[in-house]
Amino acid sequence: NAGVTQTPKFRVLKTGQSMTLLCAQDMNHEYMYWYRQDPGMGLRLIHYSVGEGTTAKGEVPDGYNVSRLKKQNFLLGLESAAPSQTSVYFCASSFLSGQGRHEQYFGPGTRLTVT
Amino acid sequence: GEDVEQSLFLSVREGDSSVINCTYTDSSSTYLYWYKQEPGAGLQLLTYIFSNMDMKQDQRLTVLLNKKDKHLSLRIADTQTGDSAIYFCAERMDSSYKLIFGSGTRLLVRP
Repeated sequence: NAGVTQTPKFRVLKTGQSMTLLCAQDMNHEYMYWYRQDPGMGLRLIHYSVGEGTTAKGEVPDGYNVSRLKKQNFLLGLESAAPSQTSVYFCASSFLSGQGRHEQYFGPGTRLTVT
Repeated sequence: GEDVEQSLFLSVREGDSSVINCTYTDSSSTYLYWYKQEPGAGLQLLTYIFSNMDMKQDQRLTVLLNKKDKHLSLRIADTQTGDSAIYFCAERMDSSYKLIFGSGTRLLVRP
């Protein structure tokens, strides 16, 4: 199992450009998440999905869109990048265990710089 | 409200014990987690504790939970240089599958 993978690993964009970050998981997890990590602020939830075809807003959704057309993939889009979106982006997936745990498994991250 | 707080930095000498602390505000938390992030990598689940437990031990790791004070700690025995990383605590409420993360504690292990 590859677990959770993210592409690309690094990207530099100019202000106003668009791009899509791809997250893939091979663990058949129902739930998937996109976070951003900024220095001293921990992880903040951007959007999440509770199943194929569903998406929902997290804590900081503005400027981002997502799609979950296939269960194993969760795409994060930036339509018009801004310098404030310079960050490290993490994807995660999870399932609900029999004991009620819902631990999340993380990808390696995508480092995005917007100039 | 939901808020998880951690101290930003901890420095210990190799071989000593490390204790990383976390406080949370939501008394309805069911599971609390510790994640480790090494430089340039994603978060890796280290351990978890269910809210009806006071303590959980897993090899060099000991998790203590004080529900009355809403305080969680992670003790790493015989800390090694490979333990240098950022450690995040996270809480999950019974009504949600989302995790609320603290801002992370950077652990530096000095030789």
